[in-house]
Amino acid sequence: SQTIHQWPATLVQPVGSPLSLECTVEGTSNPNLYWYRQAAGRGLQLLFYSVGIGQISSEVPQNLSASRPQDRQFILSSKKLLLSDSGFYLCALRGPTGADTQYFGPGTRLTVL
Amino acid sequence: GENVEQHPSTLSVQEGDSAVIKCTYSDSASNYFPWYKQELGKRPQLIIDIRSNVGEKKDQRIAVTLNKTAKHFSLHITETQPEDSAVYFCAASRNTGRRALTFGSGTRLQVQP
Repeated sequence: SQTIHQWPATLVQPVGSPLSLECTVEGTSNPNLYWYRQAAGRGLQLLFYSVGIGQISSEVPQNLSASRPQDRQFILSSKKLLLSDSGFYLCALRGPTGADTQYFGPGTRLTVL
Repeated sequence: GENVEQHPSTLSVQEGDSAVIKCTYSDSASNYFPWYKQELGKRPQLIIDIRSNVGEKKDQRIAVTLNKTAKHFSLHITETQPEDSAVYFCAASRNTGRRALTFGSGTRLQVQP
């Protein structure tokens, strides 16, 4: 079965500091991978998606970036965090076409102070 | 792009009553419609989904209906229990291209014992 790992689980960072969140998946090959952000009490905002190694599409222009160095690894980064970057970051995967179900990882709760 | 509207934003019912949450979508090419349940501090969990070639799907106390002509779909929960209390999100997507889910804004369901 498919498994998604995210770390760290929680993070407190000062404004202006860098960020690196990692997502790794197991039990699937060539998945579509997604990064979502959820502000407190709000909905799910799609940040990035990737259909394969090195292929990243950005949905929202901002100070975040993403990379996919391996088929089962997806990284979210920032050079300088803003207060507005605080939130619950969720990695998600969707299998190849025909396997529609989208699964979420356990998430990283980021607080920027 | 796709836009998904979800109503109501909050819903309070008595234990044993039914709950209905409604969503509309804008992209007539969308053909996959999942529903997720999110408990406080946890990741969204898929509870039921429906594809555009089906009008209704049921799983025990949960059912989803889809009206492609009107571009709306609904979640029905019967015999509600306190453990059904959570935030529910609807979503829609195509099965081509980025295949990313577009989410509604969520419904906070409170089941009063």
